[in-house]
Amino acid sequence: EVQLVESGGGLVQPGGSLRLSCAASGFTFSSYWMSWVRQAPGKGLEWVANIKQDGSEKYYVDSVKGRFTISRDNAKNSLFLQMNSLRVEDTAVYYCARLPTPVTGANFDYWGQGTLVTVSS
Amino acid sequence: DIQMTQSPSSLSASVGDRVTITCRASQRISSHLNWYQQKPGKAPKLLIYAASSLQSGVPSRFSGSGSGTDFTLTISSLQPEDFGTYYCQQSYSTLYTFGQGTKLEIK
Repeated sequence: EVQLVESGGGLVQPGGSLRLSCAASGFTFSSYWMSWVRQAPGKGLEWVANIKQDGSEKYYVDSVKGRFTISRDNAKNSLFLQMNSLRVEDTAVYYCARLPTPVTGANFDYWGQGTLVTVSS
Repeated sequence: DIQMTQSPSSLSASVGDRVTITCRASQRISSHLNWYQQKPGKAPKLLIYAASSLQSGVPSRFSGSGSGTDFTLTISSLQPEDFGTYYCQQSYSTLYTFGQGTKLEIK
C-alpha cells in the first residue's frame, strides 16, 4: 500500500525557517517524480514544487522561488521541503504527493495527510 | 502562467441529479487536465486524469471530457457521498496550476 507521511510542520515566526519531511513507503520511491502542494486555511490548492527521480530537475511556483528548496533522499525514501524567509502568506497545510508519470501530463495519484505550517508572530 | 477558471464556484444539487462542472484554461493545454475531489479535513483524491481517464477505484458515474481550453467533469447520478470541493489542475506546463475549486453540496 502506498503511504506518504508528512512531518515537520509547526508554528514559526515571519522570517524563520522550517524543514518539512515526507516518508514514503509501499512503492519504489526512486522511480517517481514527487511534489509538494499546499492549501491555505479555507482556500484552494496551490502547487509548490516538483523534483525529478534523481533530483536533477526541480520546479517551483514563483512565490517560493529563492526561499524554498525541494530535495530528496532516495536511500531513505524521503522527500523534503526546506522553507526559509517564511511569510505569513506561507501559512498552509503542506501535502506531499506522487507523480506517476514524467512531469508534463502528470497527475497527483497519491497524497499524504498533510502537515500544518503556521507563520505568525 | 496558465490560469485555470472553474465554474460554478458552488452548487447545490439533489441525489440522482446530473451535475456538470467546467474548467477553462487561459491557453491550450491539450488533454493535460486532471480532476480531484476533496472532502473537509482530508487530502484531495484523484478522480480523472488526462481529461477523460477514470482513476482506478473511482465510480463510473464520474466522467471527464474536453481538450484544448475547455473541460468538463460530469457526475451522471449524484450520490450523497459526492459532496465536497472539486478542483481541476493542468500539467501541460511544468509550473502546475489548479482551478479555484467548486464546492458541491447535496440538497
